[in-house]
Amino acid sequence: ETGVTQTPRHLVMGMTNKKSLKCEQHLGHNAMYWYKQSAKKPLELMFVYNFKEQTENNSVPSRFSPECPNSSHLFLHLHTLQPEDSALYLCASSQVQGGAGELFFGEGSRLTVL
Amino acid sequence: GENVEQHPSTLSVQEGDSAVIKCTYSDSASNYFPWYKQELGKRPQLIIDIRSNVGEKKDQRIAVTLNKTAKHFSLHITETQPEDSAVYFCAASAPSGSARQLTFGSGTQLTVLP
Repeated sequence: ETGVTQTPRHLVMGMTNKKSLKCEQHLGHNAMYWYKQSAKKPLELMFVYNFKEQTENNSVPSRFSPECPNSSHLFLHLHTLQPEDSALYLCASSQVQGGAGELFFGEGSRLTVL
Repeated sequence: GENVEQHPSTLSVQEGDSAVIKCTYSDSASNYFPWYKQELGKRPQLIIDIRSNVGEKKDQRIAVTLNKTAKHFSLHITETQPEDSAVYFCAASAPSGSARQLTFGSGTQLTVLP
């Protein structure tokens, strides 16, 4: 497996459920990101982890909880979501310091909240 | 913070014609401007980028121009082909010693008609 992989690819959940999205990068990068992609809107940066430390939380509601146990894995824990949270959630990674800074994206997890 | 505006939102061209997508940014400190292509159901992928120390960069049929004074940059695709049909996103970010934080435009749906 190479690049950035995300699981699950599709997820349907009720507003009272708890689920998690998983991301794994096989590129040796040291920064990982969660982006939200909604129809007709720009990609929205949610969380940034640099060397496993969270460096940004762009005013994301607390019902989204990130976890980065090491530089290769990133999780997004979901609980008590709202229908407007339905979107494609993209994980990305990049190499900070010494790399070009290019973001490599995963295929995304398509989330539907009923 | 940075604000990136992208136009047009949709663009249809005949195969073989050229396509131009324009973006403006607000933060004069921004120095990195990538363009991503996202085919239907696929991940965004970097197709070309430019840094503020150059005004133009070309890679085969794709070119990007940057006007720092006016704070705008453009993507040019020549001799378009049906496989160029996709959503194109511009982005901008300022210098950072840590993880790169891209601000994306809202995307342009390019359709190349055979």
